[in-house]
Amino acid sequence: NAGVMQNPRHLVRRRGQEARLRCSPMKGHSHVYWYRQLPEEGLKFMVYLQKENIIDESGMPKERFSAEFPKEGPSILRIQQVVRGDSAAYFCASSRDRVAEAFFGQGTRLTVV
Amino acid sequence: GENVEQHPSTLSVQEGDSAVIKCTYSDSASNYFPWYKQELGKRPQLIIDIRSNVGEKKDQRIAVTLNKTAKHFSLHITETQPEDSAVYFCAASPSGGSNYKLTFGKGTLLTVNP
Repeated sequence: NAGVMQNPRHLVRRRGQEARLRCSPMKGHSHVYWYRQLPEEGLKFMVYLQKENIIDESGMPKERFSAEFPKEGPSILRIQQVVRGDSAAYFCASSRDRVAEAFFGQGTRLTVV
Repeated sequence: GENVEQHPSTLSVQEGDSAVIKCTYSDSASNYFPWYKQELGKRPQLIIDIRSNVGEKKDQRIAVTLNKTAKHFSLHITETQPEDSAVYFCAASPSGGSNYKLTFGKGTLLTVNP
């Protein structure tokens, strides 16, 4: 089992560009969660998705951020018109169900220049 | 919403000593408390967790205690080794058994000196 796979590991974007972060959950996992980690901070919950459904997006900024988990393919976290404050590590986690242990991916480190 | 406070922010111990990290939470409805270890540049990894129906849980050199009345929980590492050096995060999750909406503390950088 390859574990939760995130790509890219590092992403550099200029202000105003779009960032697309991908997450492939562990085999057999249909629950995906995105967290953001600012420097020297704990992880902050952003969004919880199941296949084709957003279950809870209460941690997502109201503008520029969106997430999806299509029937086929990885979950995508999309940030439009990035700003310097979006620079952070974005972690994806997956679980078999909503009460099972969540396994984290290695994260995507986004740098906005 | 839930708020998790974690102390200390940094902790330095000698190899073989014990390390204790403490967390408090605000939402009395929280009932799932995991601890994660994150090495530099790597993913957070679950090392131990506890649910509110137990007061203590042990796994070899690691133990976690929970005091629901006081709303605090602690991580205890005994006989520390240099490979225990990492950032440790506590977290709390709301009731209902779902563990996805974790609220994390800010982390403790543990350094174990040989």
